Amino acid sequence: AQSVAQPEDQVNVAEGNPLTVKCTYSVSGNPYLFWYVQYPNRGLQFLLKYITGDNLVKGSYGFEAEFNKSQTSFHLKKPSALVSDSALYFCAVRDTGGAAGNKLTFGGGTRVLVKP
Amino acid sequence: EAGVAQSPRYKIIEKRQSVAFWCNPISGHATLYWYQQILGQGPKLLIQFQNNGVVDDSQLPKDRFSAERLKGVDSTLKIQPAKLEDSAVYLCASSSRSNIRDKAFFGQGTRLTVV
Repeated sequence: AQSVAQPEDQVNVAEGNPLTVKCTYSVSGNPYLFWYVQYPNRGLQFLLKYITGDNLVKGSYGFEAEFNKSQTSFHLKKPSALVSDSALYFCAVRDTGGAAGNKLTFGGGTRVLVKP
Repeated sequence: EAGVAQSPRYKIIEKRQSVAFWCNPISGHATLYWYQQILGQGPKLLIQFQNNGVVDDSQLPKDRFSAERLKGVDSTLKIQPAKLEDSAVYLCASSSRSNIRDKAFFGQGTRLTVV
């Protein structure tokens, strides 16, 4: 069965400092990986995805993520965090193998707090 | 393009009552998902439709939850009878095809409180 782990419940960072949100996954086939962000009382908004190709994926709002197959990780990064980046971040995976089909599985989420 | 529409935004019911949520996906989107998001947790897939057929409902508590997608467009999710532990945000999402590369678009969710 496919699964996603986000080991940190919360990440605190000062504004202007680099931000990293960790994600590891487990699938039977090849993974399609996604990052979503959730602001209070809002639905999930898509940030970026990895399908194939370059391991470094660039997305919305200056975010990027690096796919590492050997470590089964897909960490989200931003070189210089803004206070407005404070939100809940979710990593998600689709498994191209097995019977999982189109199922999109989410991690437990990481709350990011950027302090001025 | 218009986003995924959900209603109501908020609902408070007593335990053992029934409740229904409605979702209108983005026009032309064949795949529709219902997720349950309990406070402090990630979204958990309840059911996934491809057009009006069910693709995955392995985590749907079928003794109390039901869902349908008439004519492959709008969908309703029903809980009967509700339990306290059903308090959560219910998110509807849609994606354009069965292509698993496609991202899912989410609605704002329905926040259910069972008292």
